[in-house]
Amino acid sequence: GDSVTQMEGPVTLSEEAFLTINCTYTATGYPSLFWYVQYPGEGLQLLLKATKADDKGSNKGFEATYRKETTSFHLEKGSVQVSDSAVYFCALSDRNTGGFKTIFGAGTRLFVKA
Amino acid sequence: SQTIHQWPATLVQPVGSPLSLECTVEGTSNPNLYWYRQAAGRGLQLLFYSVGIGQISSEVPQNLSASRPQDRQFILSSKKLLLSDSGFYLCASSPAGSRYEQYFGPGTRLTVT
Repeated sequence: GDSVTQMEGPVTLSEEAFLTINCTYTATGYPSLFWYVQYPGEGLQLLLKATKADDKGSNKGFEATYRKETTSFHLEKGSVQVSDSAVYFCALSDRNTGGFKTIFGAGTRLFVKA
Repeated sequence: SQTIHQWPATLVQPVGSPLSLECTVEGTSNPNLYWYRQAAGRGLQLLFYSVGIGQISSEVPQNLSASRPQDRQFILSSKKLLLSDSGFYLCASSPAGSRYEQYFGPGTRLTVT
């Protein structure tokens, strides 16, 4: 079945450092890919998405490129801020199942130190 | 844009007591609706999803149940809570035509004592 694997955390960075959170997936169909962010005590928020190969999703300085050849969707940000401290979830939704279910990765916690 | 409401925000219940969590959605029609549970420091576990009124699919066997009495209302229930039911419960909506992204409510933190 479909699955998402993302790097284990926590990831601890200093402010203004470069961020990469790795995400790879397996899917039988043609999935849409997503990154969600969860701040402490809150629900998840959609951060960015990509719906087909080579699409780049971007938002708030974060970006990720849908790489079909490596089945990857790594999250990057050039300069992190303390306010980026949160848990980040990679996810896929497979069109072949009608998109009714989303498969989430286990989440990666990011701490950014001032 | 749509808004998802959940209540209560926090709940402490004794083992064996009943449960009712409510979720309502504004700003969209005929959404797919979802209940997830998130244990402390863990990922998301899909519990139920619904593609329409009265249509509920269960993902895991357990003592919880879900109902969708109206298009934009989704209820999670239990007749008798277990300690293992403690967690953070999230309701989500996938609006029609959204290319499958989901929008989440603020969550309910349930502690079973």
